[in-house]
Amino acid sequence: GENVEQHPSTLSVQEGDSAVIKCTYSDSASNYFPWYKQELGKRPQLIIDIRSNVGEKKDQRIAVTLNKTAKHFSLHITETQPEDSAVYFCAASSPGGSYIPTFGRGTSLIVHP
Amino acid sequence: GAVVSQHPSRVICKSGTSVKIECRSLDFQATTMFWYRQFPKQSLMLMATSNEGSKATYEQGVEKDKFLINHASLTLSTLTVTSAHPEDSSFYICSAGEGANTDTQYFGPGTRLTVL
Repeated sequence: GENVEQHPSTLSVQEGDSAVIKCTYSDSASNYFPWYKQELGKRPQLIIDIRSNVGEKKDQRIAVTLNKTAKHFSLHITETQPEDSAVYFCAASSPGGSYIPTFGRGTSLIVHP
Repeated sequence: GAVVSQHPSRVICKSGTSVKIECRSLDFQATTMFWYRQFPKQSLMLMATSNEGSKATYEQGVEKDKFLINHASLTLSTLTVTSAHPEDSSFYICSAGEGANTDTQYFGPGTRLTVL
């Protein structure tokens, strides 16, 4: 089955700095890679996703890059703000896996004012 | 985006009782819904895949007789924790995607279960 590794587990940055979270996956058949943001006690919210037919996707301060050859994808947050503080999860899924997402362990992002 | 609701948001029960959690897709139909369990500061652990009109598919190590899943309609799946014990205390979250075999999942707000 799919295995998703996520690093770092904790990331502390100053407001205005950039933050990068990296994930690797094992199944070359995976073709969908979403990123979720989860605030304490709340539901995971989809913030951006990328499919295997593109290498990069951007939405305002958030971007995701995908390297299919190396089987890794990354979340980039620029100009971080305190409200970006949360746990971020990456995931990977494939049609062969019935689209069931395999989640990374999560990254706790702390943005200091 | 699609909206998924979950009820109740929080429940406290005595050991030995059963608790039912509902997951609803409000503005779309979901052939498949997923049930997760999340411990503090940990990732989402998939418990089972709920299939409309058929039996749920449980992940290895998840007791099907303990966690009963019913997906009677395209907008509702229920998870019943039977004979709950303190170790069942956790955050339970469901997710659903529009249509069949969809990869984009939308999560419910979660249910915090505390078993005394």
